[in-house]
Amino acid sequence: DTEVTQTPKHLVMGMTNKKSLKCEQHMGHRAMYWYKQKAKKPPELMFVYSYEKLSINESVPSRFSPECPNSSLLNLHLHALQPEDSALYLCASSQEARLGVGTDTQYFGPGTRLTVL
Amino acid sequence: GENVEQHPSTLSVQEGDSAVIKCTYSDSASNYFPWYKQELGKGPQLIIDIRSNVGEKKDQRIAVTLNKTAKHFSLHITETQPEDSAVYFCAASLLGNEKLTFGTGTRLTIIP
Repeated sequence: DTEVTQTPKHLVMGMTNKKSLKCEQHMGHRAMYWYKQKAKKPPELMFVYSYEKLSINESVPSRFSPECPNSSLLNLHLHALQPEDSALYLCASSQEARLGVGTDTQYFGPGTRLTVL
Repeated sequence: GENVEQHPSTLSVQEGDSAVIKCTYSDSASNYFPWYKQELGKGPQLIIDIRSNVGEKKDQRIAVTLNKTAKHFSLHITETQPEDSAVYFCAASLLGNEKLTFGTGTRLTIIP
């Protein structure tokens, strides 16, 4: 089973709203990722959690706040977003490949299509 | 940092013919090269990957070749079918780095 699930599938929010995106995997992976993908562009890395600790933040604005409650769950909290933040938000997971052990293969979820009005 | 170039950006192929997508990377330390297929409204799905200790890998109609000296790798799809129509992304990384650098994508259209 290589499934990563994401909820909701679609989200429309105003600039003053607070919402959260959720991601779940049950593959025992210890690395989880948030990506942002604009139309006709490749995914753009936002955050990486490794063993439930934030290991990479690609200088993402503070209106995006990630959270990893446990090894299977990843959240992305959204607050005071701008219309240009409208995009497909993808979650991915992989076995943690520290020290060359394991694999870096990243498995992606179906994404949440976010529209900011 | 790593930079990955991907060509062509669009490709139309007659059903049954072969399709080839090429990528070049800049960082000679990169040693992991996955290919993803993304259908409309879906997340990217891994279709094949290759590590730098291997020159070629094949899985049914899909194959990937890697030339470490030239720093380029290619995806080959034979006997194309309409369901192969999608956007394909190549990527490169250093194992253990956790960061994938993606190419810009190729929109493949299979003409029935």
